[in-house]
Amino acid sequence: EADIYQTPRYLVIGTGKKITLECSQTMGHDKMYWYQQDPGMELHLIHYSYGVNSTEKGDLSSESTVSRIRTEHFPLTLESARPSHTSQYLCASSEYGLASTDTQYFGPGTRLTVL
Amino acid sequence: GDSVTQMEGPVTLSEEACLTINCTYTATGYPSLFWYVQYPGEGLQLLLKATKADDKGSNKGFEATYRKETTSFHLEKGSVQVSDSAVYFCALSTQGGGADGLTFGKGTHLIIQP
Repeated sequence: EADIYQTPRYLVIGTGKKITLECSQTMGHDKMYWYQQDPGMELHLIHYSYGVNSTEKGDLSSESTVSRIRTEHFPLTLESARPSHTSQYLCASSEYGLASTDTQYFGPGTRLTVL
Repeated sequence: GDSVTQMEGPVTLSEEACLTINCTYTATGYPSLFWYVQYPGEGLQLLLKATKADDKGSNKGFEATYRKETTSFHLEKGSVQVSDSAVYFCALSTQGGGADGLTFGKGTHLIIQP
């Protein structure tokens, strides 16, 4: 059973607000990821990290930012939320740094609605 | 770039029917292939994976074989249950180069009727 947590599970917020989506894992995994899942279910990688102090942008351009100060924690921040940011955000982690065979373990997701 | 194409849904079947969800891919290098499942209101769970050609992944009665010659990884189950209703994602991962995450298909919504 994977131990990866996301809070909040649901968030409804007004335009212009700053928000932080939390993601934590207790498996000691080096690699962590953020995916954005649009209403049509398609998933896109927006950020990833190889380890502490490492952050990289993914395939889909995003106005969000991430940080990795501790191995277990990978928060995502939106400085000024807009309706176009409405989506489901999924966090994931994997054990090894470079292998393509690694399994990614996903959190339950945060469903964000910006009014 | 890398891409995954899977059959459009929703797919509606009766309980105990046979299931096939088609998945084909385009990738540089030698990808690993995955099937993930997403139940309503939850994140993704790994269902099965295969890391090299001719490998067969299997779990919970589902199976898929990595076919390099046809660049396919079709998901099959001989007898589906109502509890299999979920969204299924085919995905690939390649080592190195560019953003190093999973490339997903668009997902197939499976509905099993009693």
